[in-house]
Amino acid sequence: GESVGLHLPTLSVQEGDNSIINCAYSNSASDYFIWYKQESGKGPQFIIDIRSNMDKRQGQRVTVLLNKTVKHLSLQIAATQPGDSAVYFCAEPNTGNQFYFGTGTSLTVIP
Amino acid sequence: DVKVTQSSRYLVKRTGEKVFLECVQDMDHENMFWYRQDPGLGLRLIYFSYDVKMKEKGDIPEGYSVSREKKERFSLILESASTNQTSMYLCASRGRAGGNEQYFGPGTRLTVT
Repeated sequence: GESVGLHLPTLSVQEGDNSIINCAYSNSASDYFIWYKQESGKGPQFIIDIRSNMDKRQGQRVTVLLNKTVKHLSLQIAATQPGDSAVYFCAEPNTGNQFYFGTGTSLTVIP
Repeated sequence: DVKVTQSSRYLVKRTGEKVFLECVQDMDHENMFWYRQDPGLGLRLIYFSYDVKMKEKGDIPEGYSVSREKKERFSLILESASTNQTSMYLCASRGRAGGNEQYFGPGTRLTVT
């Protein structure tokens, strides 16, 4: 079957360091991916997206990299801050308006 | 600013009760979704709706039903709550045009005792 969003469950980084959160997917036909951030007690929030015709997309302090050869994408957060502590998901839109979500990676920023 | 609201942040119900979870969006979105979120399992789709009075089953519809009488409102109904329905419930909406992202509400943490 298809799956997306195979994450490592936890990641701890020192404040000021860069964070890299990884996600693997299995459907090679996937053409679009989204990263969400979910803070404690809140719903997921859109961070950044990327289409399959791109290898890299940058936002404010975040960069998403897509490697279609190995079906892997990553979210890089520069100069990680305490407010970045959250669970991060990658998601893949499916047909019929559905999305596949992974279990997420819990990022903890150590002051 | 886009907004998805859910009627309750925390809810405690007894086994066998009928439970209504309400979701309202103010973005005139056609598509609305209900998920449940459990530790280690991520977000799982229960039901979604792509238009008023239309609904489609997601991955785990058993024990749930939904209602979409107005475009802005999507209700999740637990006909007879059970302890295994204790979970975080998240509502989301998505427009037909424009970006593909879903906008989520803050979630309702339901405990069934």
